[in-house]
Amino acid sequence: AQKVTQAQTEISVVEKEDVTLDCVYETRDTTYYLFWYKQPPSGELVFLIRRNSFDEQNEISGRYSWNFQKSTSSFNFTITASQVVDSAVYFCALSDMFSGGYNKLIFGAGTRLAVHP
Amino acid sequence: ETGVTQTPRHLVMGMTNKKSLKCEQHLGHNAMYWYKQSAKKPLELMFVYSLEERVENNSVPSRFSPECPNSSHLFLHLHTLQPEDSALYLCASSQERTGVNYGYTFGSGTRLTVV
Repeated sequence: AQKVTQAQTEISVVEKEDVTLDCVYETRDTTYYLFWYKQPPSGELVFLIRRNSFDEQNEISGRYSWNFQKSTSSFNFTITASQVVDSAVYFCALSDMFSGGYNKLIFGAGTRLAVHP
Repeated sequence: ETGVTQTPRHLVMGMTNKKSLKCEQHLGHNAMYWYKQSAKKPLELMFVYSLEERVENNSVPSRFSPECPNSSHLFLHLHTLQPEDSALYLCASSQERTGVNYGYTFGSGTRLTVV
């Protein structure tokens, strides 16, 4: 069964600390996509990254980096030198390519990150 | 306007009222979704429309009635709701393409309070 587990419910850090948000997934598909979304207090889920299962290169975008490891079915997200504006709920999601006839996304439960000044 | 727009942003309604939530996407996508997000609960997929046809309905009570008149618009009609229906209702859209998943674009949501 397709499943996404974000074991960390809440994380609290002080500004400038590095923080890693964990994401572990289960899938029967050989081709799949992984995503991270950010949900600030305003409510909208904002797309951060999409990763194809065939591309295991890690990615860095400014203070954000993602570590994709197929061997451990993990797609972890690290924020370097965290800032108060990073406070949000972060969701990891997995594509379900072959059920239902549409591009289904399976979301994890989310990790609430609080960055304190 | 660009992206996915939801109106209203906030809604307070009585249990006997009838109201509608509106979602509009300006991205040329061909699939649209309604999600419910309650406090301390995971995102719940309610309805999916692909090419204007409903393809999924996840055991949602009949007091929620979706409508998709065209690929750009999605409505959620509400009637005789319960206080436990108070939540953030999120609309999303995506571009369907076989074998590729581009992810969803979300609106800002409608925060609904049932009194």
